[in-house]
Amino acid sequence: DQQVKQNSPSLSVQEGRISILNCDYTNSMFDYFLWYKKYPAEGPTFLISISSIKDKNEDGRFTVFLNKSAKHLSLHIVPSQPGDSAVYFCAASVTGNQFYFGTGTSLTVIP
Amino acid sequence: GAVVSQHPSRVICKSGTSVKIECRSLDFQATTMFWYRQFPKQSLMLMATSNEGSKATYEQGVEKDKFLINHASLTLSTLTVTSAHPEDSSFYICSASSTSGGAATDTQYFGPGTRLTVL
Repeated sequence: DQQVKQNSPSLSVQEGRISILNCDYTNSMFDYFLWYKKYPAEGPTFLISISSIKDKNEDGRFTVFLNKSAKHLSLHIVPSQPGDSAVYFCAASVTGNQFYFGTGTSLTVIP
Repeated sequence: GAVVSQHPSRVICKSGTSVKIECRSLDFQATTMFWYRQFPKQSLMLMATSNEGSKATYEQGVEKDKFLINHASLTLSTLTVTSAHPEDSSFYICSASSTSGGAATDTQYFGPGTRLTVL
């Protein structure tokens, strides 16, 4: 039972444009959400988080939006850079408990 | 920022041998650590939750006698793959939450992972 879903396995974006990665979840009890970035042969690295009391969190070029009613979150990268090419995972949890991960979206930023 | 380390980063072993992987929180205390396994082109799959001073909680389908977890201190958890076989070859990743006042905080920090290859 996939509680967190990333329905787009891949995404290609031109350098300088906006990348939008989407994530849907089913468990309304989730109150903490994360995005991770993963390069090949490396472990995932934390990117940005958002708690359910917010609907937006921004960190430099990265912004995460949370729509609780739709059980949807998205990661915006503006402007996209070739170094952003990686697999992005979203994850959700009830605070203090295990994280449930999406299957990832492979982002390719074309120079 | 908080750092979680894993050792070794890569290990190659013969079938039938046991391999121990260490997960350390370097600058914070972690009462709970999680162990994940990543299959190629798939998401991380939670294997078990490691609690300091008590037995680990394993996910359904994970053999606790094969994947031994010991959380001996607030900064160290170990995963031992016993009698490893080629199908155990995978990327093993740990994560930890820092604690504050005895309670887990929100942020989860991931280790860099250990790539296990069983010949």
